[in-house]
Amino acid sequence: QSALTQPPSASGSPGQSVSISCTGTNSDVGAYNFVSWYQQHPGKAPKLIIYEVSKRPSGVPDRFSGSKSGNTASLTVTGLQAEDEADYYCSSHGGSTVFGTGTKVTVL
Amino acid sequence: EVQLQESGGGLVQSGGSLRLSCVGSGFSFADAWMNWVRQAPGKGLEWVASITQDGSETYYADSVKGRFSISRHNASRSLYLQMNSLRVEDTAVYFCARDRAFKTFDYWGQGTLVTVSS
Repeated sequence: QSALTQPPSASGSPGQSVSISCTGTNSDVGAYNFVSWYQQHPGKAPKLIIYEVSKRPSGVPDRFSGSKSGNTASLTVTGLQAEDEADYYCSSHGGSTVFGTGTKVTVL
Repeated sequence: EVQLQESGGGLVQSGGSLRLSCVGSGFSFADAWMNWVRQAPGKGLEWVASITQDGSETYYADSVKGRFSISRHNASRSLYLQMNSLRVEDTAVYFCARDRAFKTFDYWGQGTLVTVSS
């Protein structure tokens, strides 16, 4: 199963919004509402920030939101803050588990 | 507080073996699907293997099938990954991760580095 496709980079100024896409197929992203998003700071373990397309775990700010349309899921971060600078990965479960290629978010 | 702590990483030659361990605390370990996920240096995340709560079912990525074996011992709250016939491309940080449902990994360990030399 191939990795889900994400843009390599995204950026925004503090207070602005940034959106990251995650494109799969009708066998993974398009087939199930089991899309998750993870935030990873350098040298740290990934942290779950969105699950089941749009749900946020306890403690994750509501600045983070998720959605899905067809075979593409999206993560939006509104009101960018310096601590949001990190790598972001999507994942989908469709028979097997596949991660996205990762997006580096830079806060300008 | 949920905690996962991996150990067992290190330097091994190509063709060699290594056994990783992960100890969980702060949650009902015996009730959780568990997983191994790896990340090669400077690269993205790759799911490696999963195991059901009682260890009766295991699942593997094609890249490790037949070489790696996932197991668990619930009494000691431990998860294992036996890695045989290691290849240079297996070099990565290996994370253990709890599965809240449907391969949503809600808690991760800090990772242990495995380096396979040629």
